Amino acid sequence: GQNIDQPTEMTATEGAIVQINCTYQTSGFNGLFWYQQHAGEAPTFLSYNVLDGLEEKGRFSSFLSRSKGYSYLLLKELQMKDSASYLCAVRDAGKSTFGDGTTLTVKP
Amino acid sequence: DTEVTQTPKHLVMGMTNKKSLKCEQHMGHRAMYWYKQKAKKPPELMFVYSYEKLSINESVPSRFSPECPNSSLLNLHLHALQPEDSALYLCASSQEVGQINYGYTFGSGTRLTVV
Repeated sequence: GQNIDQPTEMTATEGAIVQINCTYQTSGFNGLFWYQQHAGEAPTFLSYNVLDGLEEKGRFSSFLSRSKGYSYLLLKELQMKDSASYLCAVRDAGKSTFGDGTTLTVKP
Repeated sequence: DTEVTQTPKHLVMGMTNKKSLKCEQHMGHRAMYWYKQKAKKPPELMFVYSYEKLSINESVPSRFSPECPNSSLLNLHLHALQPEDSALYLCASSQEVGQINYGYTFGSGTRLTVV
């Protein structure tokens, strides 16, 4: 089975840095994805990790530790438009299973 | 073209109706997916097609019937749905089921209401 845990909600201030954690226990592992989803819209792909370490893409970075079943998404220089739900998804055997998502609210 | 297009965007149907959701992509992706998403919940996988063949059916009730007429199109046929089937239905595609480093590209979804 798959078990993916993320905090339900987080709040941060515009211009700050926020880290959203994801822990997983899955029967198999072919990679971990982060998606951003604004209310009423489809998810959009942010990042992918399959090897341990940090992947950086502009203001967003994602980290993976396979031995610990742990990942985080780091958002820097937060903007109001970053207010959204952030979904962690683990890929196994050709399909992705999503965590419940973390709703991030960015305040002025 | 880097989009997944879904039609219709909104659909209201009665429990005795038959309707179809359509999904189209022209990115050359060989894997296509149907997900169902309820409000404030994550997407739940329904079906996976790889090279136009059904590879995963997540124990979805038979009132949902997928079809992949060709490598660019994916349909979801609906019949005798229940009100609890009301949700956002998302189509996604990826390069191949085994080649995953670019993640999914999602369509904007069809918001389905069953009355």
